[in-house]
Amino acid sequence: DAGVTQSPTHLIKTRGQQVTLRCSPKSGHDTVSWYQQALGQGPQFIFQYYEEEERQRGNFPDRFSGHQFPNYSSELNVNALLLGDSALYLCASSFPGQGASYNEQFFGPGTRLTVL
Amino acid sequence: AQTVTQSQPEMSVQEAETVTLSCTYDTSESDYYLFWYKQPPSRQMILVIRQEAYKQQNATENRFSVNFQKAAKSFSLKISDSQLGDAAMYFCAYRSARGSNYKLTFGKGTLLTVNP
Repeated sequence: DAGVTQSPTHLIKTRGQQVTLRCSPKSGHDTVSWYQQALGQGPQFIFQYYEEEERQRGNFPDRFSGHQFPNYSSELNVNALLLGDSALYLCASSFPGQGASYNEQFFGPGTRLTVL
Repeated sequence: AQTVTQSQPEMSVQEAETVTLSCTYDTSESDYYLFWYKQPPSRQMILVIRQEAYKQQNATENRFSVNFQKAAKSFSLKISDSQLGDAAMYFCAYRSARGSNYKLTFGKGTLLTVNP
């Protein structure tokens, strides 16, 4: 089992550019969450995707958008990059997608985004 | 909104000794989950231990145990017989048990150093 994988590992962009980060969930998982972890901080929830729909969103501007594909993989898109978007972006997957019961979120290694 | 506070930015412990990491949280909900995650340097975040708020018994996983004080909204992690591999950033996290709220809310983390 490959676990949660993310690509690319590192990325350098300039202000104003757009970026796409990718995540493949752990086998059997159908739900993907994205988090932003700034240097020296805890992860902050961006949004969660289930059944190809965004079902919960954190306090992030519309510049942050996402997508989930039929195979449950997901993309995070950030438009009009700002210096403050520099961070480690973590993807986490879980199963199943419904209900209030606890379902452990398994994290990927992250994508380190640097905005110059 | 829920908040999680970790008041110890850094802690150190001698190998084979015991260390306790502190966490407090604020919520108006009665049913929720609490977690401790470990993030080793440049490695994936992994779940160390979890606690369901409705359970009075403190969770234990091998050398890791928690002291859950619901009334005080306190959730500390005790690591016994510390090992060099325990060195990492530790995050306390909260998740509502409400069906429509899936996000994890993290504290800022505690960097644990284990001295040989």
